[in-house]
Amino acid sequence: NAGVMQNPRHLVRRRGQEARLRCSPMKGHSHVYWYRQLPEEGLKFMVYLQKENIIDESGMPKERFSAEFPKEGPSILRIQQVVRGDSAAYFCASSPGEGQPQHFGDGTRLSIL
Amino acid sequence: GEDVEQSLFLSVREGDSSVINCTYTDSSSTYLYWYKQEPGAGLQLLTYIFSNMDMKQDQRLTVLLNKKDKHLSLRIADTQTGDSAIYFCAESPLTSNTGKLIFGQGTTLQVKP
Repeated sequence: NAGVMQNPRHLVRRRGQEARLRCSPMKGHSHVYWYRQLPEEGLKFMVYLQKENIIDESGMPKERFSAEFPKEGPSILRIQQVVRGDSAAYFCASSPGEGQPQHFGDGTRLSIL
Repeated sequence: GEDVEQSLFLSVREGDSSVINCTYTDSSSTYLYWYKQEPGAGLQLLTYIFSNMDMKQDQRLTVLLNKKDKHLSLRIADTQTGDSAIYFCAESPLTSNTGKLIFGQGTTLQVKP
């Protein structure tokens, strides 16, 4: 399967723990976007990365959230000290170039107890 | 400003045509997209249209773009029960410089047998 791969599909954390969400882009894609979908809402942009660089993090909360896309390996979205309001579906998308159509993974559903 | 609006719900009978409408605000958008989301799944790129076009047809799907009114529509011919899903309209504003997508809230399409 050459699509965007996200894992885990479901993640349960207790308040105060850390959540790590992984995304492997489609083969040949070097641009990664992360979006968050709250229940009954559309997707909201969080961050845009290219290999080893954060290009646009204007949608990312200033505290507790970070993202990386290392030279080797998947992109990681990290949420520290999770709170109930972080419960959502987190989607990763990749594209072959900036402004090109984005293809999405199946998402990670994060639940905070 | 960046805002995308969609009606929330549409119900049609199997075999009828469905028309899902969307309005957007950023006239600089280069591409406009339609994504389909089935329950518990990610977003599937259905089709997209470049802003210098006013129509695009792809099998049962027809996209119409009215740039003057900033109105986008997706017509599904011969709607099937398998078309039941949430449909998201998204724009990619040139002003963002990064290709991030701005999504509408999604239109739930219900297809009755």
